[in-house]
Amino acid sequence: KQEVTQIPAALSVPEGENLVLNCSFTDSAIYNLQWFRQDPGKGLTSLLLIQSSQREQTSGRLNASLDKSSGRSTLYIAASQPGDSATYLCAVEKLVFGKGTKLTVNP
Amino acid sequence: DGGITQSPKYLFRKEGQNVTLSCEQNLNHDAMYWYRQDPGQGLRLIYYSQIVNDFQKGDIAEGYSVSREKKESFPLTVTSAQKNPTAFYLCATGEKPDQPQHFGDGTRLSIL
Repeated sequence: KQEVTQIPAALSVPEGENLVLNCSFTDSAIYNLQWFRQDPGKGLTSLLLIQSSQREQTSGRLNASLDKSSGRSTLYIAASQPGDSATYLCAVEKLVFGKGTKLTVNP
Repeated sequence: DGGITQSPKYLFRKEGQNVTLSCEQNLNHDAMYWYRQDPGQGLRLIYYSQIVNDFQKGDIAEGYSVSREKKESFPLTVTSAQKNPTAFYLCATGEKPDQPQHFGDGTRLSIL
């Protein structure tokens, strides 16, 4: 059974810092992986979708990488801002989500 | 305005009562999903539907039921058989199978 783990569970950084969020999965036979953002009491917003044939995707200050062989994905956030404060979740197809990393960016 | 509408935002259930959560979309997406989120937990899949008049159980379907009579609508009923229904419920849609990409703002269900 596919399991998705996100480390760390929570992260607090000063504004302007570059940071990396980690996601690992147990079954490497995936078709895609997504990163989502969730603000408190809200639904999820899709940030990046990486197909299994891709190694990374970029959107603005966000860069997500995928290494299927090692069962890992990372989300890199450059020059973090207070508005980036949210919980970030990764999910693999078959609709399995990690528990998320709660990010706080301090001004 | 394209999007997903979940209603109500807050819902209270009495013991032994069935309640229905609404999810409507105007994105013309075939796939729709229902998730449950408990505090500090990730999302768990309850039911999903890839096409009208068809739906499949997810990981935690017991105590829940759904219907998909129209493409735009995928209501979730929380039955009295669900003994621990207090949670945040999220509906999602996707253009492709197994790729939920758009989420509603959720319904928070509590027990009275």
